[in-house]
Amino acid sequence: AQSVTQLDSQVPVFEEAPVELRCNYSSSVSVYLFWYVQYPNQGLQLLLKYLSGSTLVKGINGFEAEFNKSQTSFHLRKPSVHISDTAEYFCAVSESGYSTLTFGKGTMLLVSP
Amino acid sequence: SQTIHQWPATLVQPVGSPLSLECTVEGTSNPNLYWYRQAAGRGLQLLFYSVGIGQISSEVPQNLSASRPQDRQFILSSKKLLLSDSGFYLCAWSLVAGGRTGELFFGEGSRLTVL
Repeated sequence: AQSVTQLDSQVPVFEEAPVELRCNYSSSVSVYLFWYVQYPNQGLQLLLKYLSGSTLVKGINGFEAEFNKSQTSFHLRKPSVHISDTAEYFCAVSESGYSTLTFGKGTMLLVSP
Repeated sequence: SQTIHQWPATLVQPVGSPLSLECTVEGTSNPNLYWYRQAAGRGLQLLFYSVGIGQISSEVPQNLSASRPQDRQFILSSKKLLLSDSGFYLCAWSLVAGGRTGELFFGEGSRLTVL
C-alpha cells in the first residue's frame, strides 16, 4: 500500500528566503505525485504534479519539485518566498492505474517579514 | 470547464442534531466523488468515495453517511451529530475515463462546529 511522509509539520522562513518542503513516499509500483496548497478556510488547489517524463516539474506561483525515484522523494522548492505563500502544503501520491490519492499530513509554511 | 461547489460554507450545530452537506459538480460526467474531513493537526481523512450513482464506499466507521442520488451530486449526512464530528469537510472529484492519475479537484470546504 502507498504512503506519504511529510517530515516537517511547520516550516518558518523569512520573506525572500528559499524554502524546501520535504516529501517521501512508499509504494511498490509506479506512482503519480502531487503537491497541493491550502490557504486558510479554503479547499485544496493543485500546485504541480509529476506523471511521467522530466523529473523536474514546475508549477504555479514559482514552485517546483523534483521526483527522485531512488530516494522515493518529491521535495517542493521555491527560490524566494513571499508573505502570500503562507499556507499549508500537502504532498500526495497515487499508484498508476489506481485512482485514490493518499495524502501526507501537511506542512504549514509560515513566511514572516 | 469543470466546477465544484459545496454548501453551506459554515455551519454551527448542537450535539444530537442532524447534518446535511451538499456537493455538486458541473462540466463533467460520471466523476468519482469524495468526502474528506480535516481535523486540526490530523491532515486529510478520506470518509467516503463514490464511483457512480448509489455506489458508496466508506473508508472509516463513523457517525456519518453519504449518498449519491444523481450523477454529479454527493451528500454527506448524519442523523445525530457528535462533538467529534467538528471539522472542515471537503468534497472532491476526479476523472474516471481518459486518465486515471488520481488527480483531485476540491470544493471550497464546509466548516462544521458542533457545540
